Amino acid sequence: AQTVTQSQPEMSVQEAETVTLSCTYDTSESDYYLFWYKQPPSRQMILVIRQEAYKQQNATENRFSVNFQKAAKSFSLKISDSQLGDAAMYFCARLRGATNKLIFGTGTLLAVQP
Amino acid sequence: NAGVTQTPKFQVLKTGQSMTLQCAQDMNHNSMYWYRQDPGMGLRLIYYSASEGTTDKGEVPNGYNVSRLNKREFSLRLESAAPSQTSVYFCASSGPLYRDSLYGYTFGSGTRLTVV
Repeated sequence: AQTVTQSQPEMSVQEAETVTLSCTYDTSESDYYLFWYKQPPSRQMILVIRQEAYKQQNATENRFSVNFQKAAKSFSLKISDSQLGDAAMYFCARLRGATNKLIFGTGTLLAVQP
Repeated sequence: NAGVTQTPKFQVLKTGQSMTLQCAQDMNHNSMYWYRQDPGMGLRLIYYSASEGTTDKGEVPNGYNVSRLNKREFSLRLESAAPSQTSVYFCASSGPLYRDSLYGYTFGSGTRLTVV
Protein backbone atom coordinates (compact mmCIF):
# COMPACT_ATOMS: atom_id res chain seq x y z
CA ALA A 1 0.00 0.00 0.00
CA GLN A 2 1.20 3.48 -0.75
CA THR A 3 0.98 5.19 2.60
CA VAL A 4 1.72 8.42 4.42
CA THR A 5 3.13 8.14 7.94
CA GLN A 6 3.13 10.75 10.68
CA SER A 7 4.93 9.26 13.65
CA GLN A 8 4.19 12.08 16.12
CA PRO A 9 0.57 11.92 17.34
CA GLU A 10 1.10 15.02 19.51
CA MET A 11 3.65 17.82 19.71
CA SER A 12 4.02 20.87 21.89
CA VAL A 13 5.91 24.11 21.32
CA GLN A 14 6.39 27.34 23.23
CA GLU A 15 5.08 30.49 21.66
CA ALA A 16 7.73 32.15 19.43
CA GLU A 17 9.77 28.93 19.22
CA THR A 18 10.27 26.62 16.23
CA VAL A 19 8.77 23.17 15.82
CA THR A 20 9.18 20.50 13.16
CA LEU A 21 6.51 17.97 12.27
CA SER A 22 7.62 14.77 10.58
CA CYS A 23 6.12 12.93 7.63
CA THR A 24 7.32 10.01 5.53
CA TYR A 25 5.59 8.45 2.58
CA ASP A 26 5.75 5.55 0.24
CA THR A 27 5.31 5.82 -3.51
CA SER A 28 6.41 4.23 -6.73
CA GLU A 29 5.62 7.34 -8.74
CA SER A 30 8.34 9.71 -9.86
CA ASP A 31 6.11 12.76 -10.19
CA TYR A 32 3.76 13.61 -7.35
CA TYR A 33 2.68 16.37 -4.98
CA LEU A 34 2.94 16.66 -1.22
CA PHE A 35 0.86 18.83 1.08
CA TRP A 36 0.50 19.93 4.66
CA TYR A 37 -3.02 20.75 5.82
CA LYS A 38 -4.03 22.45 9.05
CA GLN A 39 -7.28 21.59 10.79
CA PRO A 40 -8.23 23.91 13.68
CA PRO A 41 -11.08 23.05 16.07
CA SER A 42 -13.51 24.53 13.54
CA ARG A 43 -12.88 21.38 11.41
CA GLN A 44 -11.99 23.45 8.38
CA MET A 45 -9.22 21.94 6.23
CA ILE A 46 -6.70 24.67 5.39
CA LEU A 47 -3.86 24.17 2.93
CA VAL A 48 -0.61 25.28 4.57
CA ILE A 49 2.00 24.45 1.95
CA ARG A 50 2.60 22.22 -1.03
CA GLN A 51 5.66 20.73 -2.69
CA GLU A 52 6.02 19.39 -6.21
CA ALA A 53 8.30 16.36 -6.26
CA TYR A 54 10.11 17.50 -9.40
CA LYS A 55 11.25 20.69 -7.68
CA GLN A 56 14.46 20.42 -5.66
CA GLN A 57 13.90 23.70 -3.85
CA ASN A 58 12.01 23.42 -0.60
CA ALA A 59 8.69 25.27 -0.48
CA THR A 60 8.25 28.21 1.89
CA GLU A 61 5.16 30.14 2.90
CA ASN A 62 5.90 32.89 5.42
CA ARG A 63 6.64 31.13 8.75
CA PHE A 64 6.05 27.68 7.25
CA SER A 65 8.70 25.77 5.35
CA VAL A 66 9.34 22.18 4.39
CA ASN A 67 12.36 19.92 4.29
CA PHE A 68 11.75 17.68 1.30
CA GLN A 69 14.11 14.74 0.99
CA LYS A 70 12.96 12.87 -2.12
CA ALA A 71 15.38 9.95 -1.87
CA ALA A 72 14.45 9.38 1.76
CA LYS A 73 10.74 9.99 1.01
CA SER A 74 10.58 12.47 3.85
CA PHE A 75 8.55 15.69 3.99
CA SER A 76 8.75 17.57 7.28
CA LEU A 77 7.05 20.85 8.15
CA LYS A 78 8.87 23.55 10.09
CA ILE A 79 6.87 26.26 11.82
CA SER A 80 8.97 29.23 12.91
CA ASP A 81 7.98 31.86 15.48
CA SER A 82 5.04 29.72 16.59
CA GLN A 83 1.83 31.55 17.41
CA LEU A 84 -1.16 30.56 19.51
CA GLY A 85 -3.22 30.40 16.33
CA ASP A 86 -0.97 27.64 14.99
CA ALA A 87 -2.46 25.21 17.49
CA ALA A 88 -4.31 22.63 15.39
CA MET A 89 -4.19 19.17 13.90
CA TYR A 90 -1.74 18.98 11.02
CA PHE A 91 -2.08 16.43 8.24
CA CYS A 92 0.54 15.45 5.73
CA ALA A 93 -0.86 14.25 2.41
CA ARG A 94 0.39 12.93 -0.91
CA LEU A 95 -1.41 13.25 -4.19
CA ARG A 96 -1.55 10.21 -6.42
CA GLY A 97 -1.00 11.88 -9.75
CA ALA A 98 -2.84 9.44 -11.96
CA THR A 99 -6.09 9.71 -10.03
CA ASN A 100 -5.91 13.06 -8.22
CA LYS A 101 -6.63 11.26 -4.95
CA LEU A 102 -5.17 12.64 -1.74
CA ILE A 103 -3.72 10.09 0.69
CA PHE A 104 -3.52 11.42 4.24
CA GLY A 105 -1.38 10.63 7.24
CA THR A 106 -2.94 10.13 10.65
CA GLY A 107 -2.20 13.66 11.81
CA THR A 108 -0.14 15.46 14.46
CA LEU A 109 -1.92 17.50 17.11
CA LEU A 110 0.14 20.61 17.81
CA ALA A 111 -0.27 22.52 21.05
CA VAL A 112 1.25 25.99 21.45
CA GLN A 113 2.08 27.01 25.02
CA PRO A 114 1.98 30.72 25.92
CA ASN B 1 -18.64 32.59 -1.52
CA ALA B 2 -17.24 30.08 -4.00
CA GLY B 3 -16.44 26.70 -2.55
CA VAL B 4 -17.83 23.37 -1.44
CA THR B 5 -21.10 23.28 0.45
CA GLN B 6 -22.07 20.28 2.57
CA THR B 7 -25.36 19.63 4.29
CA PRO B 8 -26.21 18.90 7.01
CA LYS B 9 -23.48 19.98 9.43
CA PHE B 10 -24.66 17.67 12.21
CA GLN B 11 -26.85 14.58 12.19
CA VAL B 12 -27.84 11.88 14.66
CA LEU B 13 -29.22 8.63 13.27
CA LYS B 14 -30.51 5.46 14.81
CA THR B 15 -28.97 2.19 13.76
CA GLY B 16 -30.63 0.99 10.56
CA GLN B 17 -31.84 4.39 9.42
CA SER B 18 -30.81 5.78 6.05
CA MET B 19 -29.71 9.24 5.03
CA THR B 20 -27.99 11.15 2.26
CA LEU B 21 -25.23 13.68 2.73
CA GLN B 22 -25.35 16.40 0.12
CA CYS B 23 -22.39 18.14 -1.46
CA ALA B 24 -22.23 20.85 -4.10
CA GLN B 25 -19.35 22.83 -5.56
CA ASP B 26 -19.42 25.95 -7.70
CA MET B 27 -15.83 25.99 -8.94
CA ASN B 28 -16.48 23.97 -12.11
CA HIS B 29 -14.22 21.20 -10.82
CA ASN B 30 -14.34 17.83 -12.55
CA SER B 31 -13.33 15.70 -9.58
CA MET B 32 -15.18 15.26 -6.30
CA TYR B 33 -14.50 13.13 -3.25
CA TRP B 34 -15.99 11.87 0.00
CA TYR B 35 -13.70 11.30 2.98
CA ARG B 36 -14.36 10.20 6.53
CA GLN B 37 -12.25 11.34 9.47
CA ASP B 38 -11.84 9.24 12.58
CA PRO B 39 -9.54 9.84 15.58
CA GLY B 40 -6.09 8.41 14.95
CA MET B 41 -6.96 7.45 11.38
CA GLY B 42 -6.64 10.69 9.47
CA LEU B 43 -8.92 11.17 6.48
CA ARG B 44 -9.77 8.09 4.46
CA LEU B 45 -11.29 8.13 1.01
CA ILE B 46 -14.73 6.55 0.74
CA TYR B 47 -15.63 7.23 -2.91
CA TYR B 48 -14.55 9.61 -5.59
CA SER B 49 -15.78 10.83 -8.94
CA ALA B 50 -13.17 11.80 -11.51
CA SER B 51 -15.77 13.37 -13.76
CA GLU B 52 -19.50 13.68 -14.23
CA GLY B 53 -21.02 10.27 -14.76
CA THR B 54 -18.20 8.26 -13.18
CA THR B 55 -17.68 7.04 -9.62
CA ASP B 56 -15.08 4.75 -8.07
CA LYS B 57 -14.47 3.14 -4.72
CA GLY B 58 -11.86 4.50 -2.39
CA GLU B 59 -10.24 2.94 0.64
CA VAL B 60 -13.36 2.39 2.79
CA PRO B 61 -16.47 2.10 0.55
CA ASN B 62 -18.40 -0.60 2.41
CA GLY B 63 -21.79 0.57 3.67
CA TYR B 64 -21.93 3.61 1.39
CA ASN B 65 -23.23 4.53 -2.03
CA VAL B 66 -22.68 7.68 -4.05
CA SER B 67 -24.31 9.55 -6.88
CA ARG B 68 -22.71 12.13 -9.13
CA LEU B 69 -25.90 13.90 -10.05
CA ASN B 70 -24.24 16.45 -12.31
CA LYS B 71 -20.94 18.29 -12.42
CA ARG B 72 -21.80 20.30 -9.31
CA GLU B 73 -23.29 17.69 -6.99
CA PHE B 74 -21.95 14.53 -5.41
CA SER B 75 -24.03 12.84 -2.71
CA LEU B 76 -23.15 10.12 -0.21
CA ARG B 77 -25.83 7.71 0.97
CA LEU B 78 -25.91 5.47 4.01
CA GLU B 79 -28.58 2.84 3.33
CA SER B 80 -28.58 1.26 6.80
CA ALA B 81 -26.51 3.24 9.27
CA ALA B 82 -24.29 1.42 11.75
CA PRO B 83 -22.48 2.75 14.84
CA SER B 84 -19.17 2.12 13.01
CA GLN B 85 -20.20 4.86 10.59
CA THR B 86 -20.09 7.48 13.35
CA SER B 87 -17.54 9.91 11.96
CA VAL B 88 -16.92 13.31 10.46
CA TYR B 89 -17.51 13.32 6.72
CA PHE B 90 -15.84 15.69 4.30
CA CYS B 91 -16.67 16.38 0.72
CA ALA B 92 -13.97 17.87 -1.50
CA SER B 93 -13.45 18.88 -5.09
CA SER B 94 -10.41 19.47 -7.26
CA GLY B 95 -9.53 20.85 -10.64
CA PRO B 96 -7.04 19.48 -13.17
CA LEU B 97 -3.49 19.01 -12.03
CA TYR B 98 -0.79 20.80 -13.97
CA ARG B 99 2.75 21.60 -13.07
CA ASP B 100 2.97 25.03 -11.51
CA SER B 101 -0.79 25.42 -11.64
CA LEU B 102 -2.67 26.98 -8.81
CA TYR B 103 -3.81 23.52 -7.94
CA GLY B 104 -6.45 23.40 -5.28
CA TYR B 105 -8.24 20.73 -3.36
CA THR B 106 -11.21 22.48 -1.73
CA PHE B 107 -12.93 20.92 1.24
CA GLY B 108 -16.40 21.40 2.62
CA SER B 109 -16.87 22.23 6.27
CA GLY B 110 -17.70 18.66 7.25
CA THR B 111 -20.68 16.75 8.63
CA ARG B 112 -20.52 15.27 12.11
CA LEU B 113 -22.62 12.10 12.00
CA THR B 114 -23.46 10.07 15.08
CA VAL B 115 -25.17 6.69 14.80
CA VAL B 116 -26.70 5.44 18.03
